[in-house]
Amino acid sequence: NAGVTQTPKFQVLKTGQSMTLQCAQDMNHEYMSWYRQDPGMGLRLIHYSVGAGITDQGEVPNGYNVSRSTTEDFPLRLLSAAPSQTSVYFCASSKTSGTYYEQYFGPGTRLTVT
Amino acid sequence: RKEVEQDPGPFNVPEGATVAFNCTYSNSASQSFFWYRQDCRKEPKLLMSVYSSGNEDGRFTAQLNRASQYISLLIRDSKLSDSATYLCVVNQAGTALIFGKGTTLSVSS
Repeated sequence: NAGVTQTPKFQVLKTGQSMTLQCAQDMNHEYMSWYRQDPGMGLRLIHYSVGAGITDQGEVPNGYNVSRSTTEDFPLRLLSAAPSQTSVYFCASSKTSGTYYEQYFGPGTRLTVT
Repeated sequence: RKEVEQDPGPFNVPEGATVAFNCTYSNSASQSFFWYRQDCRKEPKLLMSVYSSGNEDGRFTAQLNRASQYISLLIRDSKLSDSATYLCVVNQAGTALIFGKGTTLSVSS
């Protein structure tokens, strides 16, 4: 049971490049989400999904796309990377989007855009 | 006004000290409350949920005051290993978790 896995761990992009951050979970969790964490800003929600085929925007969705074709995978796409997207990206999953539940986080992807 | 606000910190305390963190939330519809812990350059991990009746887990005690929209975390007998950032987190049912910016604790010998 690997939990939540993210790849790559580190990535350097040039401005304008696109890429996909991968996230997978093997806990059969319905709910998955992407956060970015910047110094002094805390964790901010980018996009989330309450189940396969369903996605919604969070607090800071601009410049990012997501899809949820399977329960296990929730990739985050950067359409045209900008220096403002330099951040640490965390994927998380939980059993339900109800009230009390534990969110499990992946180890993060550290992205630098030059 | 930010949805979840925490003490700015950092808190620097000696081993054995008692330290308390406070957090306020703005949305009265919030239904569930948590404290997460994040070590340097690591992912956040659940420390404890916070229930209306208050709850305790060893040296850690969490309190919730819905009327004041206030959450607290008390750590007794601080250990070096408690050094981390503590994140206050709230949830409105059906939506994602909202995180505070975190409070950094440094415990020294």
